[in-house]
Amino acid sequence: NAGVTQTPKFRILKIGQSMTLQCTQDMNHNYMYWYRQDPGMGLKLIYYSVGAGITDKGEVPNGYNVSRSTTEDFPLRLELAAPSQTSVYFCASSYSLQGARSYGYTFGSGTRLTVV
Amino acid sequence: DAKTTQPPSMDCAEGRAANLPCNHSTISGNEYVYWYRQIHSQGPQYIIHGLKNNETNEMASLIITEDRKSSTLILPHATLRDTAVYYCIVRLYTGTASKLTFGTGTRLQVTL
Repeated sequence: NAGVTQTPKFRILKIGQSMTLQCTQDMNHNYMYWYRQDPGMGLKLIYYSVGAGITDKGEVPNGYNVSRSTTEDFPLRLELAAPSQTSVYFCASSYSLQGARSYGYTFGSGTRLTVV
Repeated sequence: DAKTTQPPSMDCAEGRAANLPCNHSTISGNEYVYWYRQIHSQGPQYIIHGLKNNETNEMASLIITEDRKSSTLILPHATLRDTAVYYCIVRLYTGTASKLTFGTGTRLQVTL
């Protein structure tokens, strides 16, 4: 199994450009998440999804959009790139909670984005 | 979700046990304690989690105090490859989305 795959690994954008960060998982996880990590900081949740067709905002959603048309894919869209969006972006997935137990997240290897 | 407090950095000699503490004094009865680590800007890696009993797996042991206000992650024989940032996270079982909130963690440096 590939786990969680993110593309691209690196990208440089000019201010005002747009792009889509791709994320796909092959573990049949129903929950998926997008985080960003600024230098020296912890991860902050941007958006998450509990299943196909269902998405919700996290802690820092401004400037981003997501969609979840299939269980496997959860792309993150930046419409008008700004220097404040320079960061490393991580996608993750997990099973839904089952009973009183829960399961860990599986993270992708990240996309390093620079906006100049 | 309850907040956690971790020391910003720790050192450990290779082959020795690494004991990473975490305070979560506001934890509630149905919140789990999770540990993740992040090696050199890779995606975080799940290590272990627990509710109130001590837990052990192939990577580490998790010791949770009886009052559940603190916990310790133990790497029994640290190696250079264990050098990473370790995150202690307390998370509520919401029945809907299981959102993890990451702090700044403890940077563990394993040395020869």
